[in-house]
Amino acid sequence: EVQLLESGGGLVQRGGSLRLSCAASGFSFSTHAMNWVRQAPGKGLEWVSAISASGDNTHYADSVKGRFTISRDNSKDTLFLQMNTLTAGDTAVYYCAKTRSTVMILTDAFDYWGQGTLVTVPS
Amino acid sequence: DIQMTQSPSTLSASVGDRVTITCRASQSINSWLAWYQQKPGKVPKLLIYQASSLESGVPSRFSGSGSGTEFTLTISSLQPDDFATYFCQQYHSYLTFGPGTKVEIK
Repeated sequence: EVQLLESGGGLVQRGGSLRLSCAASGFSFSTHAMNWVRQAPGKGLEWVSAISASGDNTHYADSVKGRFTISRDNSKDTLFLQMNTLTAGDTAVYYCAKTRSTVMILTDAFDYWGQGTLVTVPS
Repeated sequence: DIQMTQSPSTLSASVGDRVTITCRASQSINSWLAWYQQKPGKVPKLLIYQASSLESGVPSRFSGSGSGTEFTLTISSLQPDDFATYFCQQYHSYLTFGPGTKVEIK
């Protein structure tokens, strides 16, 4: 059974940092690109970042570029998101998401999502 | 960047109705489009990928069509479990979600 378990969310002051983790199991982690998607309270889905299966390729939404860094440890089946210089606009539930196929390099349809971890940055 | 729009933003329907949601891309995305269902407090669920392919385990009353810039999600006979918000997502050029369509009980 595929499982994605995020951790690391919490309350952080403006300008602060957090590191999110997503522990994966039940599939061949090292063969799938992985993504982070966020959802602000009561709002829609916003793609945040993607990383290729090997970790060599990454891409970011303009809203987080230069502040967030995606990475992965294929030896530990874990995805990370380092978030720096956080603002109130970053308040959201952050989901890690598994790409459906092993063909797409960075993005794809997502067939499994974690339960999400809430990041709160008070204004 | 590719922008996605959805219409309507809210849809009121009854059980048994045929429901159609439209998603439009600001430029051609070929068939690189997915549809998700999300219920309050729950994780998005993949329904359709590559515009028209039904994800395993998804009821056959859901179908997707379109290519290029215009796509539709159709629910052939709305069931009580289908009242939710539906999002489209393009993955032709990185990734963008549509703003969502909320399907409400009429």
